[in-house]
Amino acid sequence: DGGITQSPKYLFRKEGQNVTLSCEQNLNHDAMYWYRQDPGQGLRLIYYSQIVNDFQKGDIAEGYSVSREKKESFPLTVTSAQKNPTAFYLCASSIRESPIGYQPQHFGDGTRLSIL
Amino acid sequence: SQKIEQNSEALNIQEGKTATLTCNYTNYSPAYLQWYRQDPGRGPVFLLLIRENEKEKRKERLKVTFDTTLKQSLFHITASQPADSATYLCALWASGYSTLTFGKGTMLLVSP
Repeated sequence: DGGITQSPKYLFRKEGQNVTLSCEQNLNHDAMYWYRQDPGQGLRLIYYSQIVNDFQKGDIAEGYSVSREKKESFPLTVTSAQKNPTAFYLCASSIRESPIGYQPQHFGDGTRLSIL
Repeated sequence: SQKIEQNSEALNIQEGKTATLTCNYTNYSPAYLQWYRQDPGRGPVFLLLIRENEKEKRKERLKVTFDTTLKQSLFHITASQPADSATYLCALWASGYSTLTFGKGTMLLVSP
């Protein structure tokens, strides 16, 4: 079955620690995205990548970093500079062809990050 | 500034009735509007897309309308079932924006 796999489902971070959230897709999609979802808030875009070895900042990139070395993988690192990291993190992918807004996004089932 | 608004209060309806959810936007001229369903602890799932030049789109019990004059999209679920209970998100894309922008979502509760 094609889809997006996020791991782990739950993650705990100590103060001053960096943690990396995994996102893997086997849909052969070029574009991948990371969102953060807080209670009562919409999805906020952290980073996105439309092609391997290229990515752009979204609306709330501060304190986060990403890499896109392979088409299938788009890991997100939550650094110690992110002062309020507790949230539900969602990874998504889509076909890259224009227009972007015409393409539905396929989501993983998220990683819930908490601070110890 | 640009804004997408969905009812923050949950919508409670009885099974068999039609549920209508609203997505309003300001300071956008969206070319496409998408609707997603999200269950607790899960990622959103794409339901329907409607273009700016389309007034209405249907898929089984779902219907979406798009009124660019009112700057509003309505999402209807006819003959609603308890299994339709979820949070529904609208997302729009406008020229000049690189990606979709999502609303906060509206929770729908369908009681038997």
